[in-house]
Order: sequence, then C-alpha cells, then structure tokens
Amino acid sequence: ETGVTQTPRHLVMGMTNKKSLKCEQHLGHNAMYWYKQSAKKPLELMFVYNFKEQTENNSVPSRFSPECPNSSHLFLHLHTLQPEDSALYLCASSQEGTESYEQYFGPGTRLTVT
Amino acid sequence: GQNIDQPTEMTATEGAIVQINCTYQTSGFNGLFWYQQHAGEAPTFLSYNVLDGLEEKGRFSSFLSRSKGYSYLLLKELQMKDSASYLCAVKDSNYQLIWGAGTKLIIKP
Repeated sequence: ETGVTQTPRHLVMGMTNKKSLKCEQHLGHNAMYWYKQSAKKPLELMFVYNFKEQTENNSVPSRFSPECPNSSHLFLHLHTLQPEDSALYLCASSQEGTESYEQYFGPGTRLTVT
Repeated sequence: GQNIDQPTEMTATEGAIVQINCTYQTSGFNGLFWYQQHAGEAPTFLSYNVLDGLEEKGRFSSFLSRSKGYSYLLLKELQMKDSASYLCAVKDSNYQLIWGAGTKLIIKP
C-alpha cells in the first residue's frame, strides 16, 4: 500500500464511450502525475499537476482530459478512445521541493479499448 | 534526444548476486532513481543517487557515475520475491523524470 489509490482497477470500454479514471493520494503531497505504461515501453508521462496547476502536457491527444480539483484528487476523463490507447494508466504523487522527491505510484487502471 | 538504456531481461539463481545496468543520455542531470515493479502492481521506490558512488540499502545497492552516464543496481542474496521489473529513471534539467523500459528479472531456484 503506497498511499495512492486508483479506481477502477480494470476498465473495458468501446471507442464511443466516455469514462473517467480516479486517483487519490493520502500522503499530503503537492504534485500528481498521470502516466501511460505499455508493454515493453518506458513509462510515458502524460500530465503533471503541481499545486493543482497543470505544468506538463506532453502532446497528449485531446481525447484524454485531466482534472485536478484539489491537491489530493486527480481524474483522467476519457472519450472516443482508440484501440492503441489500451494500456496500464498509473497515477503518482510526490512532494516537490524535497531533495529526492521520489514518486509514489498507485496500482494502476488496466484499460482495454474495444 | 533523451535516452535511458537497460537490458530487457535477465535471469539469475536464488541466493546469487545480480547487477542490472543503466546508461543514460539526458539534457542535464538531477538525480537517478531505481524502482521495482512486480507484475500487475505499482512501481515502488528503491533508491536515489545524485552524487557519484555507491548507496547501500540492505540487500540492494545502487551505484552512479555521472561522468560515464552510468548506474547499476546490485541485488545480493537473491530471493524468489525479487522476480520483478526494475526501472531506471533520470531527472533531467527540467526536473522531469525520463524512464527506461525496465529490466525483467527472473529468479530461478
């Protein structure tokens, strides 16, 4: 248990559906992240929120839309996804400003787009 | 471009020692991290190196040479539970983490 929870753990959706992934951190951290993890590929950083403000958006398609209502919660809204979006979506948090500020990861949501 | 290289897969025997290498080419350097990820689980933090040398933490040690753009993770007295993927990541000049694809470590009895 890392102090970061994600729901749902598994999600199957059609290309025309709309769904949302939820992340919550119980660590008092000030930064939260969304990553995409595909088999045998490096983790891909999608979005970063620092003090609730989005500071990174690494050319992510607009069919992925993040929302950070407060420093403990992060959402990823999904719509009209493609089969190549099937992957493990990981949320992480960290305390920016400390020396190493390692990231703590949630267990991920395994997404399958049909 | 920025790049992190590590072997795709390694096999070792229970009770033995294994060294997982990581080489990096990044725009700037602000620390190197090693994470462990068991299948179907979240990555968990193992170690952090920002200065050259060896950091030891129980059975795990991590080494860094900034001049060579090189790090390794050393696992001693291997146990079956050490079977996992090991991810190397470097924080660049923008303090953004650049990740390797991970090394899958298989431990055999």
